Amino acid sequence: GQNIDQPTEMTATEGAIVQINCTYQTSGFNGLFWYQQHAGEAPTFLSYNVLDGLEEKGRFSSFLSRSKGYSYLLLKELQMKDSASYLCAVRDNTNAGKSTFGDGTTLTVKP
Amino acid sequence: DAGVTQSPTHLIKTRGQQVTLRCSPKSGHDTVSWYQQALGQGPQFIFQYYEEEERQRGNFPDRFSGHQFPNYSSELNVNALLLGDSALYLCASSRGTSSSEAFFGQGTRLTVV
Repeated sequence: GQNIDQPTEMTATEGAIVQINCTYQTSGFNGLFWYQQHAGEAPTFLSYNVLDGLEEKGRFSSFLSRSKGYSYLLLKELQMKDSASYLCAVRDNTNAGKSTFGDGTTLTVKP
Repeated sequence: DAGVTQSPTHLIKTRGQQVTLRCSPKSGHDTVSWYQQALGQGPQFIFQYYEEEERQRGNFPDRFSGHQFPNYSSELNVNALLLGDSALYLCASSRGTSSSEAFFGQGTRLTVV
């Protein structure tokens, strides 16, 4: 099975940089996803990593180390609208590729 | 492109009743996964449908069942509803079972009273 750990809450200041960590234990690995979820809304896809290294997409970057079972999501130039829950999800390597989600990190951006 | 659409958006049911939730995947997507999200928690995988078959199932009882139609749309059925079934039910669609991204619908908020 899969076990996903991420911090429950984080606070940062507008314009700053924040790093949200995710560690996982898995019986099989076929990719790690990051999603953003605003309160009362559906998750929105942010990034996907399957190989080690950094993937950059605008203000958002995601890093993966498969040997360490570790990923982080880096948000730069924080804006108030970035206040949301950030979900880390790991997909296993079975034929159907089930994704297991962490409970999310609630990020609050303050002025 | 309408994206992933789910219906209804909100639903109130009584304990013991049955409910059917519906999902239409994003255009070009053939795989549908269903998740249950309780307040303050991450989505929990229920099952995934591909080529009209259930491909994998999470740790949910048989009261939870589903179906995928030839047009790739899907239904989630829950029988003998319990208070604990109250949650946001999310549908995610993708192209194939190993896609690099998945798109979620807006969800169905189910309240069991």
